[in-house]
Amino acid sequence: EPEVTQTPSHQVTQMGQEVILRCVPISNHLYFYWYRQILGQKVEFLVSFYNNEISEKSEIFDDQFSVERPDGSNFTLKIRSTKLEDSAMYFCASSASGVYQETQYFGPGTRLLVL
Amino acid sequence: AQTVTQSQPEMSVQEAETVTLSCTYDTSESDYYLFWYKQPPSRQMILVIRQEAYKQQNATENRFSVNFQKAAKSFSLKISDSQLGDAAMYFCAYRSRGTSGSRLTFGEGTQLTVNP
Repeated sequence: EPEVTQTPSHQVTQMGQEVILRCVPISNHLYFYWYRQILGQKVEFLVSFYNNEISEKSEIFDDQFSVERPDGSNFTLKIRSTKLEDSAMYFCASSASGVYQETQYFGPGTRLLVL
Repeated sequence: AQTVTQSQPEMSVQEAETVTLSCTYDTSESDYYLFWYKQPPSRQMILVIRQEAYKQQNATENRFSVNFQKAAKSFSLKISDSQLGDAAMYFCAYRSRGTSGSRLTFGEGTQLTVNP
């Protein structure tokens, strides 16, 4: 069964450093998403991406965040200058086009720790 | 903006018994989707079941079923014949139907413990 994959599974970085989180969505999916979950809190939407552009973003997704689909398979989230409060689990998700587009399938997450 | 509320931070059930997890939501939209996701200790988000708001029939997936009450804006999850592997955090989520690529809005989650 196809699944969303994410790398790395864990990342530790120093405050102020740039990090890139990578995702490989399900191959025939066209909509891509990033969510984050701070430990003990609910899952929060960051951004959605379709047709090589951002279709929606939340108030959390400020100028320090960016997303990119550099090739036909990868979808990345870049945090330009990490802060302590960026420590969280980051989930990538994807959904298909057409009638099934409403169901988002999640990857296993990247656990980011900013020191 | 839509909100999702799960008022039960923790629930427990005996193995083989039935448990119901509650979820309420607030929206001014008439057409939308509702989901239950499961998050085991590995923290991966796994889709359990989905419901289209325009369908009156409650969704079922094997031992999992929902009680969707649109007028009351309630969407509860029933787990029958509970198994040890059902132990996890369960999140209720809402998605608008009208816009492609719309966000999921999650509730706070309910931690389910299954006792042997």
